[in-house]
Amino acid sequence: EIVLTQSPGTLSLSPGERATLSCRASQTISSNYLAWYQQKPGQAPRLLIYGASNRATGIPDRFSGSGSGTDFTLTITRLQPEDFAVYYCQQYGSSPWTFGQGTKVQIK
Amino acid sequence: EVQLVESGGTLVQPGGSLRLSCATSGFTFSSYWLHWVRQTPGKGLVWVSRINGDGSSTNYADSVKGRFTISRDNAKNTLYLQMNSLRAEDTAVYYCARGVTVATITPWNYWGQGTLVTVSS
Repeated sequence: EIVLTQSPGTLSLSPGERATLSCRASQTISSNYLAWYQQKPGQAPRLLIYGASNRATGIPDRFSGSGSGTDFTLTITRLQPEDFAVYYCQQYGSSPWTFGQGTKVQIK
Repeated sequence: EVQLVESGGTLVQPGGSLRLSCATSGFTFSSYWLHWVRQTPGKGLVWVSRINGDGSSTNYADSVKGRFTISRDNAKNTLYLQMNSLRAEDTAVYYCARGVTVATITPWNYWGQGTLVTVSS
């Protein structure tokens, strides 16, 4: 099973600032099958990024993903009020599909 | 518009059984792999099970293998999760999810709203 470790656990930032979230895998993720999801309270996760760096349909370009192998990053430039949420990485290349424990981006 | 709507979650005693349903619309149901994912405050998001388009192939997380059964009714566009021998640690919000494409390997861009299962005496 691929274990995903996200850091930091919580990120306290102000609107307009840049957020950098990390996701590290316990083994190489094949073909960069790494996704990022955003989740707000009481809602289902929302797909932001897939294939490590591809934005899902309708996702603003302030969200970007990068990385390969075992180290991946989600960057949110110019945080908007609606971006304060919990973010999860997920590998979907091999069973069992696994998620990181999440990074909470909160208002400073 | 693609929609997935879960139902069936409730309070159940340890050792009991429950069947969750996920009613769908807005896409060619029989073409897609479908998944169940659960979420608890303590353990976050955890994949539970998946099933292919015609129901001939299934996979399960080790934690539910032998206790849960995933199935689908392509005539009713509905996904199911039969949960037996329930334990306190099965308490969670259960989501059904669909992939971006019909491929086997695809992230999930459509999710239901979730249904809460509570296992407690």
